[in-house]
Amino acid sequence: KQEVTQIPAALSVPEGENLVLNCSFTDSAIYNLQWFRQDPGKGLTSLLLIQSSQREQTSGRLNASLDKSSGRSTLYIAASQPGDSATYLCAVRRNFNKFYFGSGTKLNVKP
Amino acid sequence: DTGVSQDPRHKITKRGQNVTFRCDPISEHNRLYWYRQTLGQGPEFLTYFQNEAQLEKSRLLSDRFSAERPKGSFSTLEIQRTEQGDSAMYLCASSLGLVDYNSPLHFGNGTRLTVT
Repeated sequence: KQEVTQIPAALSVPEGENLVLNCSFTDSAIYNLQWFRQDPGKGLTSLLLIQSSQREQTSGRLNASLDKSSGRSTLYIAASQPGDSATYLCAVRRNFNKFYFGSGTKLNVKP
Repeated sequence: DTGVSQDPRHKITKRGQNVTFRCDPISEHNRLYWYRQTLGQGPEFLTYFQNEAQLEKSRLLSDRFSAERPKGSFSTLEIQRTEQGDSAMYLCASSLGLVDYNSPLHFGNGTRLTVT
């Protein structure tokens, strides 16, 4: 069974700092990995999807990397802002219906 | 693209009552998923549809839970004889494509169920 772990569970940083969120998974037989953002009481918003053949994806201040062989992904957020405060979740896809989610990292960016 | 919509946003019910939630996926999305999320945890898979066919159900989905997607468009999730342990956020997601493994998941804002 695929296990997805996100460390740390919570992170607090001052505004403007660059930061890295981590996601690890136990089974490297994945099709892709997707990063999501979740605001309190809301659903998940897709941020980036990295296919298994890719090493990284970028969108604005976000950069996600994937090392499938070691079972790791990172989400890099540049020049963090208070509006980035949210919970960030990663999910790996094994087939059409199997998505395995981590428990998330709760990020607080202090003004 | 109006996104995935879920109704209601919040539902408070007494133990033993039945509840039904609705999900409208992004139009033309073939695949529809239901997940359950409790506080501090990631979403847990409940069931998924390819068009109108329900192709997989999690062992989490007891016989009190039933889901339908009658015309391959919107879906409903019904919980009968609710229990306090059913209190959670119920999330619906959809994705495009029957053969594209790299179609991203799009989530709705969820239905927050509280069983008293």
